[in-house]
Amino acid sequence: GQQLNQSPQSMFIQEGEDVSMNCTSSSIFNTWLWYKQEPGEGPVLLIALYKAGELTSNGRLTAQFGITRKDSFLNISASIPSDVGIYFCAGQLYSSNTGKLIFGQGTTLQVKP
Amino acid sequence: NAGVTQTPKFRILKIGQSMTLQCTQDMNHNYMYWYRQDPGMGLKLIYYSVGAGITDKGEVPNGYNVSRSTTEDFPLRLELAAPSQTSVYFCASSSDPYEQYFGPGTRLTVT
Repeated sequence: GQQLNQSPQSMFIQEGEDVSMNCTSSSIFNTWLWYKQEPGEGPVLLIALYKAGELTSNGRLTAQFGITRKDSFLNISASIPSDVGIYFCAGQLYSSNTGKLIFGQGTTLQVKP
Repeated sequence: NAGVTQTPKFRILKIGQSMTLQCTQDMNHNYMYWYRQDPGMGLKLIYYSVGAGITDKGEVPNGYNVSRSTTEDFPLRLELAAPSQTSVYFCASSSDPYEQYFGPGTRLTVT
């Protein structure tokens, strides 16, 4: 099946540092979504992107829809301990409008106070 | 507003047993989805529905069945549980085919 390659797989950073993660694919997507999952809970939607080149912010989080439609990036500025969790990218293929999302494997973020 | 609710939170099944995972949403969303999440992995789509009475297979449908008789409910049925179905199951819903909102999950162990 289709795959999204998400990197890095994990990050261990100091509080206050900025964080960057990305997702890439060989296929073209019409939608990119970024989710955060905390232990024992379901994923929570952070940012949704709908147009190539789109740059969207949600507080300290900024995400971009790549120009080629094959990638997306998430940045977290000035990290804090509550940013800890697993961040997933998800995309919907360009040929689809049924909401069938493909998920990346996740980036585990740990923040040292 | 409860959002997406799932029951049970935890369940242990013996091989060959059957069970139904319940999912209810109170947001009047047309789209509903079932995913499974294995340790260290992303989510994989099992089944989805674009409205009451309409369901379709996702990436990993084998061993599961669904029905959608109402807008609110989207139960997932396991007929003959197998160890490979040990996973965390998430239900999600959305008003459009994009921004999906997830329930808290059901952790299932098959032994």
